[in-house]
Amino acid sequence: GAGVSQSPSNKVTEKGKDVELRCDPISGHTALYWYRQRLGQGLEFLIYFQGNSAPDKSGLPSDRFSAERTGESVSTLTIQRTQQEDSAVYLCASSLVRGRAGAYNEQFFGPGTRLTVL
Amino acid sequence: AQSVTQLGSHVSVSEGALVLLRCNYSSSVPPYLFWYVQYPNQGLQLLLKYTTGATLVKGINGFEAEFKKSETSFHLTKPSAHMSDAAEYFCAVSRPNDYKLSFGAGTTVTVRA
Repeated sequence: GAGVSQSPSNKVTEKGKDVELRCDPISGHTALYWYRQRLGQGLEFLIYFQGNSAPDKSGLPSDRFSAERTGESVSTLTIQRTQQEDSAVYLCASSLVRGRAGAYNEQFFGPGTRLTVL
Repeated sequence: AQSVTQLGSHVSVSEGALVLLRCNYSSSVPPYLFWYVQYPNQGLQLLLKYTTGATLVKGINGFEAEFKKSETSFHLTKPSAHMSDAAEYFCAVSRPNDYKLSFGAGTTVTVRA
């Protein structure tokens, strides 16, 4: 079956513009995660969705960042008034369910969207 | 809180030589530990994981890693490198049963013919 897909694969924008990044999780995966990878750094957790609710938004770096999810399907990460420090690869992952006692649910990652803010 | 340190941002090995990627972690509770691989233009793929039980875990493509609690390490090894092993490798840690992964900065492996 299809894996996690993300679009666009590359996005170049001017400082101050808004951008939307899209993630299509694996069908049937109820949990969805967004991460950011800045150059030379590890992945940073941004937000977690269970279904269409986001119980953990703790990683969003500022109020310019927001995300939504339609049911247990597509998610959109929106960055308003982009800044140069927002340049990074944004990765989406999905898993069957969030962690439960005694189990680990593997996160499957998409290829990412490379965002460049000029 | 959990954190991960990967020693060496770039590693170059000869084809057929040992691959050793180092990962040290800090965690306030017994951790779950992971190694992911990322090939160019692809998403991260889980290589192997340690949750509980045997401390030597085997993954895909001939890789293995050993959890050493006393050293807070989870180094990744492969006895004989292949050209197809050229990729970026990430070590990650989480609390047991937690969804939130903390990643290291990654190590890029190049394989020389």
